[in-house]
Amino acid sequence: GESVGLHLPTLSVQEGDNSIINCAYSNSASDYFIWYKQESGKGPQFIIDIRSNMDKRQGQRVTVLLNKTVKHLSLQIAATQPGDSAVYFCAEKDAGGTSYGKLTFGQGTILTVHP
Amino acid sequence: GAGVSQSPSNKVTEKGKDVELRCDPISGHTALYWYRQSLGQGLEFLIYFQGNSAPDKSGLPSDRFSAERTGGSVSTLTIQRTQQEDSAVYLCASSTVDGLSDTQYFGPGTRLTVL
Repeated sequence: GESVGLHLPTLSVQEGDNSIINCAYSNSASDYFIWYKQESGKGPQFIIDIRSNMDKRQGQRVTVLLNKTVKHLSLQIAATQPGDSAVYFCAEKDAGGTSYGKLTFGQGTILTVHP
Repeated sequence: GAGVSQSPSNKVTEKGKDVELRCDPISGHTALYWYRQSLGQGLEFLIYFQGNSAPDKSGLPSDRFSAERTGGSVSTLTIQRTQQEDSAVYLCASSTVDGLSDTQYFGPGTRLTVL
């Protein structure tokens, strides 16, 4: 079936470094992609999203890149801080043109930031 | 404003008992979603509601699982005759359907433990 997966299950970086978390997806019909951050004992927290008609979107310290040719999504975090330590999930949606619908999640990447 | 709220935060039950989990979506959000997250795993879609449309139940794992949404707001997920494999965190999310944003906002989840 369709799935979204992550290349690296864990990532350890030093404070101040830039982090890159990768995600591969298989549903070419997906038109919306989103990154969530989940801290222990909490629900997923929205970080940034991107529609399929874009290839890059920037937020505060975060950038999402979408490469539809190779079905690859990445999250870049600039100047990573200890507070960024969490599990990061990518998710995709094939909404068939609507603005709602189920998300299909990847397994997650554990980001650990060392002071 | 208030985010998505869920209750209870934790539920411990005995195998074979029924449980009800509650979700209060963000005010004004007409789409409501239920996901399940097993330990160390990504999120698995269960069901979603959008306005008065028939819910998408395609993710419900068995007929022991059901959900309803009353008055277009609060939702209850019911698991009958619970099994140990039902132990997981049950997450609720809501979103608008105005076409301006696809973002699903998550609640803190209900941790269900079936003994």
